[in-house]
Amino acid sequence: GENVEQHPSTLSVQEGDSAVIKCTYSDSASNYFPWYKQELGKRPQLIIDIRSNVGEKKDQRIAVTLNKTAKHFSLHITETQPEDSAVYFCAVPDFMDSSYKLIFGSGTRLLVRP
Amino acid sequence: NAGVTQTPKFRILKIGQSMTLQCAQDMNHNYMYWYRQDPGMGLKLIYYSVGAGITDKGEVPNGYNVSRSTTEDFPLRLELAAPSQTSVYFCASSPRQATNEKLFFGSGTQLSVL
Repeated sequence: GENVEQHPSTLSVQEGDSAVIKCTYSDSASNYFPWYKQELGKRPQLIIDIRSNVGEKKDQRIAVTLNKTAKHFSLHITETQPEDSAVYFCAVPDFMDSSYKLIFGSGTRLLVRP
Repeated sequence: NAGVTQTPKFRILKIGQSMTLQCAQDMNHNYMYWYRQDPGMGLKLIYYSVGAGITDKGEVPNGYNVSRSTTEDFPLRLELAAPSQTSVYFCASSPRQATNEKLFFGSGTQLSVL
């Protein structure tokens, strides 16, 4: 099955700085790469996703980049704000057994210091 | 349109007791999932379903059972509860379409086994 590794586990940045979170995966057949944000005590919510036919996708202050050759993708948050403080999860599809399920990374706790 | 509804929100069980966590979605999604999230940890897939009558094991299925008799409902059954099952449980659904693979999460059930 798919193996997903996410780094770093915690990240502390000053407000206004950029934050980068990286995920690596094992199955070269994976073709869909979402990022979820989970605020304290809340449910995870999709913030951005990318498909394998695209190298980069941006949505205001967040972007995701994909390197299929190296099998890793990254979340970039620019001009960080205190409300960006949360846990971020990457996910990768696992197609084992001809089925489909999303496997999540272990999460990155981002703290934006005012 | 309520999305994904989970009940109960909180529950305390004694060791050896059983219970069913309810999950219902009103978006006509074929794909449904159960994840557990231990404190400070990531999301681990327990069971999933690709349609009514079809279920399959995820990463951590031991101690749980599921059924999917309708498209809307996907209950998770805990038999003989153990302290190791103390966790937050999230149900999720997805349309799993070529242009939309977003997971819609319920608000979660916080379960303590004492």
